Amino acid sequence: DTAVSQTPKYLVTQMGNDKSIKCEQNLGHDTMYWYKQDSKKFLKIMFSYNNKELIINETVPNRFSPKSPDKAHLNLHINSLELGDSAVYFCASSQSGSGDTQYFGPGTRLTVL
Amino acid sequence: ELKVEQNPLFLSMQEGKNYTIYCNYSTTSDRLYWYRQDPGKSLESLFVLLSNGAVKQEGRLMASLDTKARLSTLHITAAVHDLSATYFCAVSEMRFGAGTRLTVKP
Repeated sequence: DTAVSQTPKYLVTQMGNDKSIKCEQNLGHDTMYWYKQDSKKFLKIMFSYNNKELIINETVPNRFSPKSPDKAHLNLHINSLELGDSAVYFCASSQSGSGDTQYFGPGTRLTVL
Repeated sequence: ELKVEQNPLFLSMQEGKNYTIYCNYSTTSDRLYWYRQDPGKSLESLFVLLSNGAVKQEGRLMASLDTKARLSTLHITAAVHDLSATYFCAVSEMRFGAGTRLTVKP
């Protein structure tokens, strides 16, 4: 069983489009995260949710909107995609937050043309 | 602003040798994470260090944390090729270092 899964694995789209990435964890964790890894492999946290409540909201464009329908899911919706959004997006989860081991999903490679 | 600096950024070493990767951070943080990432893959958690003086070991890797010096180290003992990967540290606010790309050569 996959602990943290993301769909799709690859996403190629045109500038200006709207797209979503889905994330699900079957570990029973309370906290989920979204990270962006750019072409230079630099990792940046974007959002963190604990029990469906937003607890970290880093400085990201408001075109990015996380949605947590339940504590097992944290989806990322991106409006009006730009070239600079091209990156690998990782979802992760942990038991209860800071200090706990994070388990990462396989990543979604987003390419904006 | 919290800054996390890793060095070296690139490390090429021979099998059997020892080396240390350093992670410095600029403001108080009471926990420190180490991750491994293989090329084209996701991140794997290696260690979570939760207190000053914490030391954890797994196989040929040992991590330590000195919160007073704002420094964590990842020590590699008798490196083997399988350890080739990029290693990231991160502090409690999930700020990551730039990563250390380790290549172990025969």
